[in-house]
This record gives sequence, C-alpha cells and structure tokens, in this order.
Amino acid sequence: GENVEQHPSTLSVQEGDSAVIKCTYSDSASNYFPWYKQELGKRPQLIIDIRSNVGEKKDQRIAVTLNKTAKHFSLHITETQPEDSAVYFCAASKDTGNQFYFGTGTSLTVIP
Amino acid sequence: NAGVTQTPKFQVLKTGQSMTLQCAQDMNHEYMSWYRQDPGMGLRLIHYSVGAGITDQGEVPNGYNVSRSTTEDFPLRLLSAAPSQTSVYFCATQRGGREQFFGPGTRLTVL
Repeated sequence: GENVEQHPSTLSVQEGDSAVIKCTYSDSASNYFPWYKQELGKRPQLIIDIRSNVGEKKDQRIAVTLNKTAKHFSLHITETQPEDSAVYFCAASKDTGNQFYFGTGTSLTVIP
Repeated sequence: NAGVTQTPKFQVLKTGQSMTLQCAQDMNHEYMSWYRQDPGMGLRLIHYSVGAGITDQGEVPNGYNVSRSTTEDFPLRLLSAAPSQTSVYFCATQRGGREQFFGPGTRLTVL
C-alpha cells in the first residue's frame, strides 16, 4: 500500500516569514494530493490540493508543488500570520479508489 | 444543509462494551470513510464505502464493523471495546471530484 511521510513534525516561524512542509509518497500510481489544516479540537479542512498532471498550484498565500519523478510534494505558506497556527496534514490517493493515506502531521506555530 | 454529522461527540466505554458511532450526510456523496486520529500518527483509514451496500477495509479495520444500507448513513460499530481503541474518530464523505469533507469527530475513551 501507499506510505506517506511528512516533515517536519513541528515548525515554528516568526510572523511574516515563510513556512514549508514536505511530504513524500511511495506509490507512483497516486495522483491526487490534498493538504488539510486542523485547528485544535476541530475537524480537518481542505486548504489546497494538486493533481499529478500539474506541477504547481497557488491560492493567495498558499502554494503546493509536486515532483512526480521524486515522489514528493510540498506546502508553502508565505507571509505567515498567527491564524495560520495549526496542524497540517498531507495526503495521497488514486482515482481508482477513495483510500486516502495521510502523513503524520506538522504542528505549525506562528510567533507574533 | 448540515453537511456531515457525527454522534455522539464524546463517549466513555468500559473494556468489552460495544457501541455504534453514527455518521450521516446530506451532501449526496457516494463515498464515505471512517478514520481514527491518534497523537503523532495522523489519520488512519478504518473502513470505507463507495456506495450503498458496498464496504471495504482500510489500514486498521480490526475490531470495527461497518454497513452502508443508505447513501446518507455509515455507522461504525465497535464490537468489544479495548483501551487501544481510545481515539478521535472522524467520518468523511466525498464525491468523485475527490475533495473530502470531514464530520466534527467523536472523542472515544475506553477504560
């Protein structure tokens, strides 16, 4: 089955700096890669996703890049704000099923 | 629209007890899944369903049963609760377009 690894497990940045979270996956057939944000005590919510036919996607301060050859994808948050503090999860799945495999999460703290 | 709802929000069980976690959706999504979330381990798939009458096992199915008699409901049954099943449980739905929507979660403690 698929194995998704996520790094780092914790990340602290100063407000206004950038944050980068990286994930690798093992199954070359995976073709959909979402990122979720989970605030304390809340449910995970999708913030951005990317499909394997695209190398990069951007939505305001958030961007995701995908390198299919190396089997890794990254989340980039620019101009971080205190409200970006949360746990972020990456995931991978295939069109042939709806099984999502999640990374172990990154706890991001933005210091005002 | 309520989206994805889960009941109960909190539950405490004794070892060996059984219970059912409820999940309901009004989004008409064909896919539904159950995850458990443990500290440092992310979300792990327990069981999933691609439509009414069809279910399959995920990564960690042992000790859990599911059924899907309608599109709207996907209950998760704990047959004989064990302390190792202490966790936060999330139900999720999706349409073929891939985005998953999560319910608010059920925090379960097994003593």
